[in-house]
Amino acid sequence: DGGITQSPKYLFRKEGQNVTLSCEQNLNHDAMYWYRQDPGQGLRLIYYSQIVNDFQKGDIAEGYSVSREKKESFPLTVTSAQKNPTAFYLCASSKGLAGRSYEQYFGPGTRLTVT
Amino acid sequence: RKEVEQDPGPFNVPEGATVAFNCTYSNSASQSFFWYRQDCRKEPKLLMSVYSSGNEDGRFTAQLNRASQYISLLIRDSKLSDSATYLCVVKSNTGNQFYFGTGTSLTVIP
Repeated sequence: DGGITQSPKYLFRKEGQNVTLSCEQNLNHDAMYWYRQDPGQGLRLIYYSQIVNDFQKGDIAEGYSVSREKKESFPLTVTSAQKNPTAFYLCASSKGLAGRSYEQYFGPGTRLTVT
Repeated sequence: RKEVEQDPGPFNVPEGATVAFNCTYSNSASQSFFWYRQDCRKEPKLLMSVYSSGNEDGRFTAQLNRASQYISLLIRDSKLSDSATYLCVVKSNTGNQFYFGTGTSLTVIP
């Protein structure tokens, strides 16, 4: 079964703790993305990666970090510096190759609650 | 100015009705266009890509107007199961970023 997996589905953390969200894809896609969605709002881009060992900041990268050591994996760390980390986090991937009209596919998301 | 703008709705329509959503984008270099559907507390799922000539998939028709920089989605014969939020998505030809509208909420009423 090809697709994108994210784990865990729900995550609870205390304020001040770093937390890492997992994202894995077996679609052989080059590009991977992390978005954040808050209630009643659209998706906002945190980070994206077009190839292994390379990634770019999105619109709201502050307080987050990523790595792309393998094509299949793009973990996101929410650090204690992120002021409002409680949100729905969505990972996505696409075939990449700037200029081509390849659509994005999403994982099921992780709901992070920080108290 | 936002890259992509949508009327948030909500749209409440009876079963069997036809409903249309519009979306405008600001970057004339945008080259790829999509409609996604998002159910409550779930991930967005691709509904259809939007091609220059317009395209149809069953009860769904997508159209692109490059001159006016807007995209539309028409749903005919609405079903209860069409109730969801519909997201307009635009991708620039110059990079790998996708830009999302905030979504239009649709509720189909029995």
